[in-house]
Amino acid sequence: DAGVIQSPRHEVTEMGQEVTLRCKPISGHDYLFWYRQTMMRGLELLIYFNNNVPIDDSGMPEDRFSAKMPNASFSTLKIQPSEPRDSAVYFCASNLRGLAGPFNEQFFGPGTRLTVL
Amino acid sequence: AQSVTQLDSHVSVSEGTPVLLRCNYSSSYSPSLFWYVQHPNKGLQLLLKYTSAATLVKGINGFEAEFKKSETSFHLTKPSAHMSDAAEYFCVVSDPGGFKTIFGAGTRLFVKA
Repeated sequence: DAGVIQSPRHEVTEMGQEVTLRCKPISGHDYLFWYRQTMMRGLELLIYFNNNVPIDDSGMPEDRFSAKMPNASFSTLKIQPSEPRDSAVYFCASNLRGLAGPFNEQFFGPGTRLTVL
Repeated sequence: AQSVTQLDSHVSVSEGTPVLLRCNYSSSYSPSLFWYVQHPNKGLQLLLKYTSAATLVKGINGFEAEFKKSETSFHLTKPSAHMSDAAEYFCVVSDPGGFKTIFGAGTRLFVKA
């Protein structure tokens, strides 16, 4: 398996522009997580999905952020409009919570480094 | 409520010497605890996890961690550091379902030749 795939790896945009980050989870995984990593706040869970349904979005910072998972193999995190303080590395992770029990590890993608000028 | 505290933001060791990365947690129920490693410009990789089966947990690359409930600690150790161990290490606590994960602030490990 290719692992969790994220695109783009790097994104530089100007304040006010719309940004879309993409994630392809590991095939067969039923949970997908979006994280944000900054120097100031460390790693924060933004939202997670189970079987394509958003379960907990309490970590989403504000209405400018939205996430979707239209099918089991694709998710997007959108920021509109973007602001300089959104600059961070955004990670996507997935795992499988089926027969193996509830404590499975999360498999992380390589991240998208977002810079908003 | 849960929280996790990594007691050192940076740790520097010489190659071949022991590594100790400290983590304390707080949880109102029996937690699941993890250590992840992040190499520069890479995603996070699981080192090991504690899920109440055994208090001493062995992970990859020679790392291990001991769960001490009385001390609410889950410190990560390795007998002999290697240059390739230089990375950032995250202690993680999650709820019993394993869904809500809280990451520590991270400890950056430097390994000197």
